[in-house]
Amino acid sequence: GNSVTQMEGPVTLSEEAFLTINCTYTATGYPSLFWYVQYPGEGLQLLLKATKADDKGSNKGFEATYRKETTSFHLEKGSVQVSDSAVYFCALGSSASKIIFGSGTRLSIRP
Amino acid sequence: NAGVTQTPKFQVLKTGQSMTLQCAQDMNHNSMYWYRQDPGMGLRLIYYSASEGTTDKGEVPNGYNVSRLNKREFSLRLESAAPSQTSVYFCASRLLGGQGTSWADTQYFGPGTRLTVL
Repeated sequence: GNSVTQMEGPVTLSEEAFLTINCTYTATGYPSLFWYVQYPGEGLQLLLKATKADDKGSNKGFEATYRKETTSFHLEKGSVQVSDSAVYFCALGSSASKIIFGSGTRLSIRP
Repeated sequence: NAGVTQTPKFQVLKTGQSMTLQCAQDMNHNSMYWYRQDPGMGLRLIYYSASEGTTDKGEVPNGYNVSRLNKREFSLRLESAAPSQTSVYFCASRLLGGQGTSWADTQYFGPGTRLTVL
């Protein structure tokens, strides 16, 4: 069946460091891929998405490219800020309507 | 648009009590979902509804029932609450459709309901 595997946390970086959070997936067909962010005490917010191979999703300085050949959708940001501290979830959506989430990666940024 | 709304925001129940969590969306989305989030466990799908009039079990459906009342509303019911159901519950909706380059897949979450069962 479909599944999502993402980098285990927690990840701790200094401000302005480069961020990569790895996400790989297993799926039949052509799923959509998503990154969600959850700030402390809040619900999940859609950060970015890609609906087909080679699409790049981007938002708030974050980027992720849908790589079918490596079945990956890694999240990157060139220069993180303290305000980026949150839990990040990779997710896969199939046309059968189910959405499957990774286990989440907690990111902490030091000033 | 209000997006996805959930009520209540907080609830405390005693073991054996029942309650219904309400969810509504005003984005005309086809699919709706109920998840629970437990510390260190990520999100687990309880039930989902691909379209009005249909519901399907997710990973952890035991102890829950759902109703897709209409396109806007999707409720989650706990008939006899247990301490193991203490969690944060999230509702989500998703629009899925189109063709070729106009394929759309958009989904949003509600703010969550924090439920404690004593």
